[in-house]
Parts: sequence; structure tokens; C-alpha cells
Amino acid sequence: KQEVTQIPAALSVPEGENLVLNCSFTDSAIYNLQWFRQDPGKGLTSLLLIQSSQREQTSGRLNASLDKSSGRSTLYIAASQPGDSATYLCAVHPSGTYKYIFGTGTRLKVLA
Amino acid sequence: DGGITQSPKYLFRKEGQNVTLSCEQNLNHDAMYWYRQDPGQGLRLIYYSQIVNDFQKGDIAEGYSVSREKKESFPLTVTSAQKNPTAFYLCASSTRDRGAYEQYFGPGTRLTVT
Repeated sequence: KQEVTQIPAALSVPEGENLVLNCSFTDSAIYNLQWFRQDPGKGLTSLLLIQSSQREQTSGRLNASLDKSSGRSTLYIAASQPGDSATYLCAVHPSGTYKYIFGTGTRLKVLA
Repeated sequence: DGGITQSPKYLFRKEGQNVTLSCEQNLNHDAMYWYRQDPGQGLRLIYYSQIVNDFQKGDIAEGYSVSREKKESFPLTVTSAQKNPTAFYLCASSTRDRGAYEQYFGPGTRLTVT
């Protein structure tokens, strides 16, 4: 059974720091992995999607990597800003299903 | 603008009443999903639908029902049989683009049952 874990559960950093959020999954048979951002009381906003054949994706200050063999993905945020404060969730799409499996998220606070 | 709309944003009901949450998408996506989110927990799948007139139970379907009569619409009914219905409900849709299934979410409905 696919399980997704995100560590740490919460993170507080000063503005300007580069930071890494981690996501691990137990079964490497996936179509893709997706990173989301969620602000309090809001829906999820898609940040990056990495297909199983890809190693990384970049969008602005965000870079996500995928290592299927070790069951890990990282989301790198460069030069963090207070506006980056949110909960970040990763989700894997297991092969052969229409279902997505979500981690419980990392709650990030960037201090001004 | 293409997207997913959920209404209402906040919903209050008395215990014992059924309530229906609306989800509409104009993205022309085949698959649609309902999730429940509780504080400190991840998203849990209630129901999903891959195509019109077909849907499957997710991990926590008891006390919920859905219909998929149109491609654009996937309403969720929270019945009185759901023991703890107060939660944040999220609707999503997905499509396959160049081999990847990307999921998009609506803004959510917060349901409070007293």
C-alpha cells in the first residue's frame, strides 16, 4: 500500500533562507508526483508536477526533484519570502489507478 | 477563466439533515474527486469519478453519496448517516496531458454541523 510521508511537519525560517521540504513514498510505481501549496482556509494550488520519467522541474524560485528508486522528492525554495508561508503538500499518483495519495504536509512560516 | 467552483464557501446544518455540496468544472476534465480535510490530517478520498454516470468509493465513503450526470458537475451529499460531518471539503478534477495526470482543486466548502 502506497504511503506518503512529509518531514518536517512544521518549519520556521528567517526571510531570505534557501530551504528544502521533503516527501517520501513507499512504492516507486507512480505516474507522477505533484507538489501543492495550501493557504489557510483555501483550496490547493498546484506548484509543480514531475512525471515518473523526469528528475526535476523548475518554476521561478521553486525546484522539485524526484528520485523514484529511493522513493523521495524534495521541494527547494530559494530566497524564501514571508509570502511563501503556507502548507506544502506532496501527492503521488500510483500507476494503474485514478487515485492520488497525499502526505500530511509541511507547514512553513517565513519570518520577516 | 477555466477552473473549479465550489459552493457555498461556508455551510451550516443541524444534525440529522442531509446537505449537498456543489462542484462544477469548466476544464473539460474527465475525472473528478471529493476529499475531506480535517485539522492535522491529510486529504482523505471520499468518492471519485472517471467518467459520466460512473463513480467509485474512496477510502471514507460511508455516510456520503455522489452523482455524475454531467461531465462538468459532481455534487456530494453528506447524509445524516455520516457520524462526524464537520470538516473542510475539497473537490478536484484531473486530466491526462502528455502522460501526466495533473490534479486541480476548487476553493473548498467548510461544513459545520451542530
